[in-house]
Amino acid sequence: AQSVTQPDIHITVSEGASLELRCNYSYGATPYLFWYVQSPGQGLQLLLKYFSGDTLVQGIKGFEAEFKRSQSSFNLRKPSVHWSDAAEYFCAVANGGATNKLIFGTGTLLAVQP
Amino acid sequence: NAGVTQTPKFQVLKTGQSMTLQCAQDMNHEYMSWYRQDPGMGLRLIHYSVGAGITDQGEVPNGYNVSRSTTEDFPLRLLSAAPSQTSVYFCASGRTRSTDTQYFGPGTRLTVL
Repeated sequence: AQSVTQPDIHITVSEGASLELRCNYSYGATPYLFWYVQSPGQGLQLLLKYFSGDTLVQGIKGFEAEFKRSQSSFNLRKPSVHWSDAAEYFCAVANGGATNKLIFGTGTLLAVQP
Repeated sequence: NAGVTQTPKFQVLKTGQSMTLQCAQDMNHEYMSWYRQDPGMGLRLIHYSVGAGITDQGEVPNGYNVSRSTTEDFPLRLLSAAPSQTSVYFCASGRTRSTDTQYFGPGTRLTVL
């Protein structure tokens, strides 16, 4: 069965520092991968997605992610974190390639120190 | 476009009560889904629909019922609420089932006492 693992439950970074959030997936074929962000009390906003092609994907708000098939990973990065980036981040994979049936990781809660 | 809308935003029920969570989208999307979000568990798929009149079960369908009579609406029914159904519920919609973004609504926070 497909699955998504986000090993870090909670991460704290200083404002201006770089950020990397880890995501590992389990899927036999080429996965469709997503990163969503959820601010407190809000819905989910898509940051970026990977379907095929260039393995380095650019998203909104200065985020990027790199698909590494050999490591079954899709880590999210940002070179310089802003206080407004404090939120919960979810990695997801399309179940059987169906984007209407997403399998989510358990999320990583990001705190930003001034 | 309003996107995906959900009502109510908050709801408190007593065990055994029934209610319907409403979801509507104005983007003419064929695909709609319901997820529940619980602490430490991420989001899990409850039911989904691939078009009017067509629904199917997701990962955690027990205790929930859905129907899809129009393209725009996809209500989620709790027939007899249980405390285990205390959660935040999100509706999502998308144009296709592949290579397309799913757009999420703002969520409904449900508490069952």
